[in-house]
Amino acid sequence: RKEVEQDPGPFNVPEGATVAFNCTYSNSASQSFFWYRQDCRKEPKLLMSVYSSGNEDGRFTAQLNRASQYISLLIRDSKLSDSATYLCVVNLSPGYSSASKIIFGSGTRLSIRP
Amino acid sequence: NAGVTQTPKFQVLKTGQSMTLQCAQDMNHNSMYWYRQDPGMGLRLIYYSASEGTTDKGEVPNGYNVSRLNKREFSLRLESAAPSQTSVYFCASSEAFFRGGEKLFFGSGTQLSVL
Repeated sequence: RKEVEQDPGPFNVPEGATVAFNCTYSNSASQSFFWYRQDCRKEPKLLMSVYSSGNEDGRFTAQLNRASQYISLLIRDSKLSDSATYLCVVNLSPGYSSASKIIFGSGTRLSIRP
Repeated sequence: NAGVTQTPKFQVLKTGQSMTLQCAQDMNHNSMYWYRQDPGMGLRLIYYSASEGTTDKGEVPNGYNVSRLNKREFSLRLESAAPSQTSVYFCASSEAFFRGGEKLFFGSGTQLSVL
């Protein structure tokens, strides 16, 4: 079983729609969680961190459920520029002073159509 | 500022050849990483390093060696390239978030083809 699993997509939605991505992780000791965005043939870039209390950045909302080992990303009022691959990322670092083993999910591809 | 610099950007190898991918960062980060990304896939961790002189295996270390020469540089070596190692390779460094976890900064990637 992969340590981080995501909806494979692709998601193809109209501009203005709300879209949600899900991600599950297998290691209950995982320390921190993120969503990254990757445009075609480019390097990934951090979209937002994910906290148990939930966090919001404009049209983007991320949520973590530690009990279910589940992470979500919600995009409201989607724009054409949101078309990209969204990567769920989990930090398996065992402790503060140890190396961070940072694992990516396989990504969910999103296409926004006019 | 350069951030994370990877060289080369493109490389074609024949099966059995060896090569080293170079990575350097100028952000004074302690941790560095090597990932590979196959078409339609997410990134898979090859090796990572918490500091100079220390390295750890990631998800897919077989067929690779790494060297953390100093704080700035983290190289990835293919001793005997195989077609299965055809991929895009990303190097990254990280800095800690105040609320925990690490933010990754990536190089622009190396497209490697093994024939």
